[in-house]
Amino acid sequence: DSGVTQTPKHLITATGQRVTLRCSPRSGDLSVYWYQQSLDQGLQFLIQYYNGEERAKGNILERFSAQQFPDLHSELNLSSLELGDSALYFCASSPLGDSYNEQFFGPGTRLTVL
Amino acid sequence: AQKVTQAQTEISVVEKEDVTLDCVYETRDTTYYLFWYKQPPSGELVFLIRRNSFDEQNEISGRYSWNFQKSTSSFNFTITASQVVDSAVYFCALSEAYGGATNKLIFGTGTLLAVQP
Repeated sequence: DSGVTQTPKHLITATGQRVTLRCSPRSGDLSVYWYQQSLDQGLQFLIQYYNGEERAKGNILERFSAQQFPDLHSELNLSSLELGDSALYFCASSPLGDSYNEQFFGPGTRLTVL
Repeated sequence: AQKVTQAQTEISVVEKEDVTLDCVYETRDTTYYLFWYKQPPSGELVFLIRRNSFDEQNEISGRYSWNFQKSTSSFNFTITASQVVDSAVYFCALSEAYGGATNKLIFGTGTLLAVQP
C-alpha cells in the first residue's frame, strides 16, 4: 500500500458526460501528479500540482482540468467524455515537486466511457 | 527530446531463470533521474528504484539488480532466480532536472514479464 488513495476505483459513464476523480496524497506529500494509462498511448503525464499551485502540464486535453485543494487532496475533472478517454487514471504523490523525488502511485481509477 | 525505450515487449521465462529487462533513454539534460516501476496484474504501480545520473554505481537489492551505464544511455534491470510473483509489467521512467521545478515522469512502453512455474 503506497498510502495514496484514489476514488472511485471504477467508473462507467456515457459519452458527453462529466466525471470527477479524487486523489488523496500520502501524508506529508505536497505534490500530486495525474497520469493516464491507455493501450494506445501508454502511461502519459497529465498534470502536476505542488502545494495547491499548478507546477507542470503534460498532454492534458482542454476538456480535462484539475485542482489541488488546501488539504492537499486533488481532483481531476473530465468533461465531454469521448470513447477514447477510457483509460486507467493514476494519481501519484511525492514529498516535494522536484525531479529527484520518487513518486508513489495510487491504485488508479478505471474509467470506461460507453 | 526525452524518450525511454523498452524494446522488449514481452519476455517469458521459467521459474529460477535469470532475466534482464532493457531500458534505453534519451535526454539532453546532464542531470536526470531514472526509475523502475512494477505493475502487477492487480494494476497498481509499485516504485522499485531511483538512480541519479551522476551516480553510476550499480545497485543490488535481494534478487534485483540494476546496471546503469551512461556511455550507452542504458539502465537495465536484472531479476535473479525469477519467481512466479515477479510476473508483471515493468516500466522504466525518466525525470529531467531542468530548473528542478517539475517532476514529470516519462515512461517507456513497459515489458511484460511472465514467469512460468
